[in-house]
Amino acid sequence: DADVTQTPRNRITKTGKRIMLECSQTKGHDRMYWYRQDPGLGLRLIYYSFDVKDINKGEISDGYSVSRQAQAKFSLSLESAIPNQTALYFCATSFSGGTTGELFFGEGSRLTVL
Amino acid sequence: AQSVAQPEDQVNVAEGNPLTVKCTYSVSGNPYLFWYVQYPNRGLQFLLKYITGDNLVKGSYGFEAEFNKSQTSFHLKKPSALVSDSALYFCAVRDFKGFQKLVFGTGTRLLVSP
Repeated sequence: DADVTQTPRNRITKTGKRIMLECSQTKGHDRMYWYRQDPGLGLRLIYYSFDVKDINKGEISDGYSVSRQAQAKFSLSLESAIPNQTALYFCATSFSGGTTGELFFGEGSRLTVL
Repeated sequence: AQSVAQPEDQVNVAEGNPLTVKCTYSVSGNPYLFWYVQYPNRGLQFLLKYITGDNLVKGSYGFEAEFNKSQTSFHLKKPSALVSDSALYFCAVRDFKGFQKLVFGTGTRLLVSP
């Protein structure tokens, strides 16, 4: 089983719909992240969380919200999806006790907004 | 703010030949540098990292990278390419101060021909 699991892996939705992407991890890490990948733009940070009570905006948080339901779960929501939110979304984790900040990624959730 | 540049969108190499994927970085202070690989329909996988010490870092799958402080570069290399190395490669950098945010490059697609 994957250490970082994302659901759904693929979703097609319509403009204006609410969408939730879920992430769960069994690595025991305290820090979790949501990134967005677009061709030619690399990965951009949407939100990050240091622990259950700590949520922070990344560089492209507009139009997104998150919830850290437990140390192992971190959900990303699009309250009203729009076509330019079509992208590949990645959840990642890291351990604050480590020295390097290495990230561990899920398999990705491909979202298409029509 | 820290940044990385991957100047090549795509690198083509014949199987058995050496390969190089280029990365340059900009960061205040000492950098933590990473290479990740993304295979089709998969998440990013950690390849190797430079934190301190020897400028030549060895990683997974026979890859290595050379840290060059004077040229602010961290090029990924492999002595003999395999067709199975074909993937998308991302360089990332983190400033050792403050939040452990990784900043990713735009990615370089490596195509290894038989």
